[in-house]
Amino acid sequence: EAGVTQSPTHLIKTRGQQVTLRCSPISGHTSVYWYQQALGLGLQFLLWYDEGEERNRGNFPPRFSGRQFPNYSSELNVNALELEDSALYLCASSLDLLVQETQYFGPGTRLLVL
Amino acid sequence: QKEVEQNSGPLSVPEGAIASLNCTYSDRGSQSFFWYRQYSGKSPELIMSIYSNGDKEDGRFTAQLNKASQYVSLLIRDSQPSDSATYLCAVNRDDKIIFGKGTRLHILP
Repeated sequence: EAGVTQSPTHLIKTRGQQVTLRCSPISGHTSVYWYQQALGLGLQFLLWYDEGEERNRGNFPPRFSGRQFPNYSSELNVNALELEDSALYLCASSLDLLVQETQYFGPGTRLLVL
Repeated sequence: QKEVEQNSGPLSVPEGAIASLNCTYSDRGSQSFFWYRQYSGKSPELIMSIYSNGDKEDGRFTAQLNKASQYVSLLIRDSQPSDSATYLCAVNRDDKIIFGKGTRLHILP
């Protein structure tokens, strides 16, 4: 069974640009979560999608947004990139809304903002 | 008070010994607790989940939960060099999983 996949693996952008990160959950999983892991800050919850709807959002500005598609894959968009957005962005999926806690992580996208 | 607190380490443990990792959390309403392992440059992988007070064993790993003290721990018996990693404690709160910053564990050969 394929795990959670993310693309791209690495990305370099400049300040002010926009970026889109992609995630495909484990087959059969309907919930997708996005996290930011910046150096020294640990894993920070960004967004949670289930069945195409945003279920919860972390303490991030509105320039962080996303969506979930009918096939349960998801995108994370970050507008007006800032230097402090440099981080590892992790996507995780879980089977459904009721077992949201059992999350399986993808390999991540490493974003560098110059 | 941070929501989930862990000693950042590094915690150095001789090979074959027991490694003890600790975590405290602030929300008394939390019901689900998790330990993830993260190797350098890799994504976190779930080791154990625990929901009830007491101990839960899985192979060399034992998770311990004390809700009254708002404390959860992970014991690793017969530590191996391959156990060297950062261990993340995670707790659910308000439909979110809150992660601690992790404890770096170093197993000394």
